[in-house]
This record gives sequence, C-alpha cells and structure tokens, in this order.
Amino acid sequence: GQQVMQIPQYQHVQEGEDFTTYCNSSTTLSNIQWYKQRPGGHPVFLIQLVKSGEVKKQKRLTFQFGEAKKNSSLHITATQTTDVGTYFCAGNPSGNQFYFGTGTSLTVIP
Amino acid sequence: EAGVVQSPRYKIIEKKQPVAFWCNPISGHNTLYWYRQNLGQGPELLIRYENEEAVDDSQLPKDRFSAERLKGVDSTLKIQPAELGDSAVYLCASSLVGPRDSYGYTFGSGTRLTVV
Repeated sequence: GQQVMQIPQYQHVQEGEDFTTYCNSSTTLSNIQWYKQRPGGHPVFLIQLVKSGEVKKQKRLTFQFGEAKKNSSLHITATQTTDVGTYFCAGNPSGNQFYFGTGTSLTVIP
Repeated sequence: EAGVVQSPRYKIIEKKQPVAFWCNPISGHNTLYWYRQNLGQGPELLIRYENEEAVDDSQLPKDRFSAERLKGVDSTLKIQPAELGDSAVYLCASSLVGPRDSYGYTFGSGTRLTVV
C-alpha cells in the first residue's frame, strides 16, 4: 500500500532553535499537504504544494516539495513555544486520497 | 462560520456494544471524510463521500463498520459490535471539492472512543 514516512518521529529543541521535518513517499505525489495538530487537538491545515520544486513560506515556516515530487520538508525558523505540536504531511499519489504520514512531534523547551 | 461539528466528544463503551458518531460538515462542503487516528499515528481514511455517494470505502471494515450521509449533509459512522482494537479518535473532515482542494481539509474535534 501507499506509504508516507516522516522523520524524525520526535524532536526536542530549545526555544529559538530551528526545526525541520522530512516527508518521504514511495511513489510520486500529485500534491502534498501539511497539517499541525496541537496536543489534544485535531489536525489543522497549513498549506498545499503542487508543483515540482515548489517552495512556500508562511512567516517562520518554509515548505518545500522535492523535484521528483516524492519528498517534502517543513522548516521552522527560530521556534517558539506556540510551535509545539505534531506536524503531519499528507501525500496524494493519485488525486483521490491523501495518505497521512506518521508525524513529527515537536517539543519546544523554553 | 461554524467549523466541522462532531458529537459526542468522548465515548466509553463495553466491547460488543454498538456506538455511533455524528458529523455536521461545513456548509457547502460537498466532500466528507471519516478518519481514524490511533495514538501516536497519523489519521487513516475510512470512507470518503462526494455529496451522498460513498466514493471510497475500501478501508472501511465492512463487517462491523457502516456509514451514511443522508441528503449529502450530515453523516453518521457506526460500529457494531465494537472491539477493543477500535479504541481511537474518530475524525470527520470536509472539503470544498475533494482531494485536490487547495484549501485542505477542515477537521472536526473528533470523538475519542474507548472500548473496555
């Protein structure tokens, strides 16, 4: 079946440090989305990437879609305590369904 | 505008009992999804509706799970009978046009099911 893997599974950073999570798919993706889930909360949509090599920015967050459309990354610059949560990528290989990754849980130490 | 509304928020039942979850999507969202999220994992799709038609239910355990979306708006997900392994958070989501929607999915708060 389809697999979307994320690394690392957990990441602890000091407040102000940068953070990156990587998403890898076994197949080429039509598009990919990123979500954030706060502890005890539900996933909240952050962004969608569609084009090969696409880079999008949202304030301190930078999202990138690989040239082969099989991998993606989310980079947070100068983390804040409000960034705490689990970040999921969701890849869509065929246009019909998003497969969520395993998630990266971010802890920010004040 | 209200988001995706789910109820109940929590449910504790004994194994072999039935349980039902309800979802009211965002007004105007034609596509509705039910996901199951186990602890420490990403959401897994159970079923996707386009209006009132179930267009993808390949991952729905049909021996015990059923779903319906009457009139293409509200939806219910039922488990009968529940098993211990069904303990999870059941998330409902909706989107405007489907898996290519650039606005992403809007998730409800979920129903946390505990089967004892």
